[in-house]
Amino acid sequence: DSGVTQTPKHLITATGQRVTLRCSPRSGDLSVYWYQQSLDQGLQFLIQYYNGEERAKGNILERFSAQQFPDLHSELNLSSLELGDSALYFCASSPWDYLTGELFFGEGSRLTVL
Amino acid sequence: AQSVSQHNHHVILSEAASLELGCNYSYGGTVNLFWYVQYPGQHLQLLLKYFSGDPLVKGIKGFEAEFIKSKFSFNLRKPSVQWSDTAEYFCAVNLYSGAGSYQLTFGKGTKLSVIP
Repeated sequence: DSGVTQTPKHLITATGQRVTLRCSPRSGDLSVYWYQQSLDQGLQFLIQYYNGEERAKGNILERFSAQQFPDLHSELNLSSLELGDSALYFCASSPWDYLTGELFFGEGSRLTVL
Repeated sequence: AQSVSQHNHHVILSEAASLELGCNYSYGGTVNLFWYVQYPGQHLQLLLKYFSGDPLVKGIKGFEAEFIKSKFSFNLRKPSVQWSDTAEYFCAVNLYSGAGSYQLTFGKGTKLSVIP
């Protein structure tokens, strides 16, 4: 158990819909990272928040957005869903705002878009 | 573009065979290097990491990796694999992403299947 909690574990929805994925970081960790894992693209970095503020942005689509709340949990919002958005979405946390240490990953949220 | 490449998509070995998984990155600056493992149905967890110093680093479960700066490589090795090493292995490098920030960039992963 990494201490990072993600909900829901599985989600099935239709094209055009909107979903929200939730992540609770390890106790004391201020940074939250979101990754998308698909068969063809592998693990793609989406976005990082540190203590409530956006810190780094990767290959995140404009249809996707994220935020980190004062209690440090984070949500990833995916809208106007397309078939290609079907993937495993991982959240990871770390104590720092810059990458010098390891990330602690949750078990992921598997999104299926039909 | 900065990237991380893992040479093998799927490796199949018998128990007690030696393992070497390749990883190369394209970035000329200072890097921190990681190997993560994902056992079936579990989250990614850190196997080992390199920040500086001895380029041969030892991790958990008998794994080690060697950083060769001139080859931009960070290959993972284990002298004798076990069935329980069946998992997917990811090489990761923290690469500069602009505006003073870095992001952990992963290779596409190598699936290792160990046959008893």
